[in-house]
Amino acid sequence: DGGITQSPKYLFRKEGQNVTLSCEQNLNHDAMYWYRQDPGQGLRLIYYSQIVNDFQKGDIAEGYSVSREKKESFPLTVTSAQKNPTAFYLCASTPTGTNQPQHFGDGTRLSIL
Amino acid sequence: KQEVTQIPAALSVPEGENLVLNCSFTDSAIYNLQWFRQDPGKGLTSLLLIQSSQREQTSGRLNASLDKSSGRSTLYIAASQPGDSATYLCAVPTGGYQKVTFGTGTKLQVIP
Repeated sequence: DGGITQSPKYLFRKEGQNVTLSCEQNLNHDAMYWYRQDPGQGLRLIYYSQIVNDFQKGDIAEGYSVSREKKESFPLTVTSAQKNPTAFYLCASTPTGTNQPQHFGDGTRLSIL
Repeated sequence: KQEVTQIPAALSVPEGENLVLNCSFTDSAIYNLQWFRQDPGKGLTSLLLIQSSQREQTSGRLNASLDKSSGRSTLYIAASQPGDSATYLCAVPTGGYQKVTFGTGTKLQVIP
């Protein structure tokens, strides 16, 4: 079955450390997204990519970086510059064109040690 | 800037009851609206997507309506079941291509 796989499910970061969250999709979707979800808040967009080798900052990109070297993969790095990284991170994808629902992975929960 | 509000933040109902969840948005120039379900510790599952030209969309016991002029959408759940317990989020396109703004969600508990 096609879908989006996020790994790991749980991740712990030490102070000053960079960590990378994986997102892989086999839906042949062009657009991919990273969101952050905090308790009591809606999803906030970190980065998105419409095609390979291209990506744009979302609303809260500071302290994060991404790459899109392959259509199937859109990893997110949480850098040491992100001072409050504890959150639930969700990856999503959509096919090209408007009026298409977003498909989501099961998320990665990141905590500070 | 598009803002999406969902009221109430939490709702508890007895099994079998019909219920309505509300979503309001500030910019009515949208081309669709989506409703999602999120189970604890999980990602979002798309339930319904209503095109701007539609007023309603149905899937099983779920019915979503859209009134662009008033900036409102409702999700109607008929004959609620304990398995419907989850957080329900609505989302509308904002600003750019395929970008969406999410509401904060309504946490639903259906009591057996």
